[in-house]
Amino acid sequence: AQRVTQPEKLLSVFKGAPVELKCNYSYSGSPELFWYVQYSRQRLQLLLRHISRESIKGFTADLNKGETSFHLKKPFAQEEDSAMYYCALSGQSSGNTGKLIFGQGTTLQVKP
Amino acid sequence: DAGVTQSPTHLIKTRGQQVTLRCSPKSGHDTVSWYQQALGQGPQFIFQYYEEEERQRGNFPDRFSGHQFPNYSSELNVNALLLGDSALYLCASSGQGRETQYFGPGTRLLVL
Repeated sequence: AQRVTQPEKLLSVFKGAPVELKCNYSYSGSPELFWYVQYSRQRLQLLLRHISRESIKGFTADLNKGETSFHLKKPFAQEEDSAMYYCALSGQSSGNTGKLIFGQGTTLQVKP
Repeated sequence: DAGVTQSPTHLIKTRGQQVTLRCSPKSGHDTVSWYQQALGQGPQFIFQYYEEEERQRGNFPDRFSGHQFPNYSSELNVNALLLGDSALYLCASSGQGRETQYFGPGTRLLVL
């Protein structure tokens, strides 16, 4: 079964502390993994995708196929990072149209 | 470019009624996907339209149907509304189905 699991509903850290948002997935094939973010009163937007290997707003994520994980990390959290974060998966198998399978989301709260 | 737009922003219906939600994709995009996001959950894939045809469908009943027009805009129709259909309905557009999906602001549907 295709599934994305984000074990934490809420992650609360102080400004300047490291952040790690966990994401585990289940997929029989070669998935594409994404992190989407939703700031307060804004639409869902792409933060990063594993194939681009970029660092966006200081966030990075490495795909670990052995552990089937795609954790999102940032060394020093900022208050403006407070938002809802969704991990999502899209399959690369033939016939797959790029539909996204989302986790339940983790609220990141960065305290001053 | 206004990005992905959706209308209406909010909608209240009663059980048994029918509803139509509308989506205009981002300029240059030809693929539209629809997602349902219940409160406290991640978005769930409903279906995807490309070249005016439904290309892939998630685990939703036939009460959920859609359409794509020649200008790539799309409609989501839900018949015989149930209380459980209350949710935020998100539209996302992409190019050729496999590229990054850009989300609209959503339509919040309340079924009483």
